[in-house]
Parts: sequence; structure tokens; C-alpha cells
Amino acid sequence: KAGVTQTPRYLIKTRGQQVTLSCSPISGHRSVSWYQQTPGQGLQFLFEYFSETQRNKGNFPGRFSGRQFSNSRSEMNVSTLELGDSALYLCASSLEMDRPDTQYFGPGTRLTVL
Amino acid sequence: AQSVTQLDSQVPVFEEAPVELRCNYSSSVSVYLFWYVQYPNQGLQLLLKYLSGSTLVKGINGFEAEFNKSQTSFHLRKPSVHISDTAEYFCAVLFDRGSTLGRLYFGRGTQLTVWP
Repeated sequence: KAGVTQTPRYLIKTRGQQVTLSCSPISGHRSVSWYQQTPGQGLQFLFEYFSETQRNKGNFPGRFSGRQFSNSRSEMNVSTLELGDSALYLCASSLEMDRPDTQYFGPGTRLTVL
Repeated sequence: AQSVTQLDSQVPVFEEAPVELRCNYSSSVSVYLFWYVQYPNQGLQLLLKYLSGSTLVKGINGFEAEFNKSQTSFHLRKPSVHISDTAEYFCAVLFDRGSTLGRLYFGRGTQLTVWP
């Protein structure tokens, strides 16, 4: 079974631009979560989606948003990019047959903001 | 408040030596515990997990961990490491607070370096 896939793997943007990152979960998984990883702050939770609904949100400004589609694929968007948004963005999916559940991570998208 | 602490940011060891990577958490609710490994320029790979049952859990690549509720710890161990185990290791916790159960809290990571 294919793992979690994220596209693109690398992105370079400039301040003020916006960006959209995509995540395809493991087949059959219904929940998708997003995390930001930086050297300074470590791994921080962004949001979680289940059945096209945001179920949980971390402490990030409104410039960070996301959505989930009916096929469980998810996108996250960052508007008005700042230098501090440079990070590895990780997507994780889980089956959601029972809670708690195990999250399986994708390879990440490396975003560099210049 | 809930928190996850990895006490060692870096652990250097020689090949074939045993290793223990420490993880402690703070919580007033039930917890579910995970260890992930991250190789350079890659995502997180699940090593092992504790959801319920036996407190000693075995994972991939010869790693094991023990959940100690009284000491609020979940230390990762391997009896004999290999150079290929060089990577960053993250302890992660789900705190059972209902609607936020899907949110993983991570420690700051431990860089394990195995020397020949």
C-alpha cells in the first residue's frame, strides 16, 4: 500500500506570496493532520481534518488554512508568506476506525521563503 | 498542562553499544505514546507505539520501549546499535482530552549518532 504522499517536495517563494501544499493520505485513511517543523520551534501541530471538517486547530495565525476533499486528500494554504514560514511541512494520515489512532507521516514539503 | 520532554538533545554512541533515549511527559489525563525516527531530508517513520496492554512494546529495527506510568516516562532502548541507526528520534504523545485527541505533542528530538 502506498504511503502518504506530499507535493511538491520543495518550494521556494518570496515574502508576500501565497502557497498551497498538497497531501494524499494512505488509501482508506480518513483523517489528515498537518505539522510544521522548524529548528527553533520543533514540531508543531497546525490542524486536523476528518470527513472534510476541521476537527482541531493549533496556535497559528489565520494566514494558515486548510481543507479536506471528499476523497480525503488535503491541502494547506499559507497566504502573505513571511520569512519565518520557512519550514518542513509534514502531513500525517490515520485510519480513524478507533481513537486513539496512529498517524503515519509523509516525506514533507520543504518551503523556503526568501 | 501537558508537555513532552526529551532530556538529551544529542546522544553519541559506538557501534554495537546499547543505547537509551529518554522521554518524559506531564499529564493529568490518559496518554498514548509513540516514537518516530527521522532520517535526513525525510519525514517521520513510526518506530513503535503504546496504546494499551503490555507496557513493554517492541518496534521495528530492534527497538523497544517501556511505558512507566508512575514515572511518566517512555524511554526507547536498543541493545546493540548500528551505524544505520544514526538519525533524529522524536517522542510523541496523544493526550486523551476528547476533541483534541488527534493532536500529537512532540518532544524536541534526540540526535543519535553512532560511531564506528
